[in-house]
Amino acid sequence: QKEVEQNSGPLSVPEGAIASLNCTYSDRGSQSFFWYRQYSGKSPELIMSIYSNGDKEDGRFTAQLNKASQYVSLLIRDSQPSDSATYLCAVHQTGANNLFFGTGTRLTVIP
Amino acid sequence: ETGVTQTPRHLVMGMTNKKSLKCEQHLGHNAMYWYKQSAKKPLELMFVYNFKEQTENNSVPSRFSPECPNSSHLFLHLHTLQPEDSALYLCASSQNPGGTDTQYFGPGTRLTVL
Repeated sequence: QKEVEQNSGPLSVPEGAIASLNCTYSDRGSQSFFWYRQYSGKSPELIMSIYSNGDKEDGRFTAQLNKASQYVSLLIRDSQPSDSATYLCAVHQTGANNLFFGTGTRLTVIP
Repeated sequence: ETGVTQTPRHLVMGMTNKKSLKCEQHLGHNAMYWYKQSAKKPLELMFVYNFKEQTENNSVPSRFSPECPNSSHLFLHLHTLQPEDSALYLCASSQNPGGTDTQYFGPGTRLTVL
């Protein structure tokens, strides 16, 4: 079983719509969760981190965490073409010395 | 100076060559990481250093040899690589190791092994 799973996409949304990116993880004891954005040919950059159940909002981005369902999501409101990128979900498992990454979901925002 | 730098940005090498990748972080962090990113695969952790001591070796073949002379510099020495080692190699740093702190990535080295 993969530690972190994401739908690889591609996910296409029209400009101005809400993009919803989903991630599930296998370790029930995981405590730290991160969303990274990676533009083609570039390195990952942090978008959001979330540690508690519920929603966390930062501008157009909202991270949602449900530990009971082992599910973390990222919502992007008013999607812009500049949001087109691959979004990586990363999870810190209990006792591990590192993050586990998903394969990423490629998002395309259509003008 | 940007937070995490890597050189070279691109590298083409033969299977018998020896080369080194360099990473430098200007963030005052204590932990540094090497990752491998291949197409269609998750980021694969290779090595973790905490206060320049290696704390994780994720079953990486011995043809990859890391070196961390101090908390700001990290090297990855390469020798007798295979074509399947072609990938993007990313360096990252965080304030503390263990995965709970945000990791900041360098731009990566695109490696091609012929």
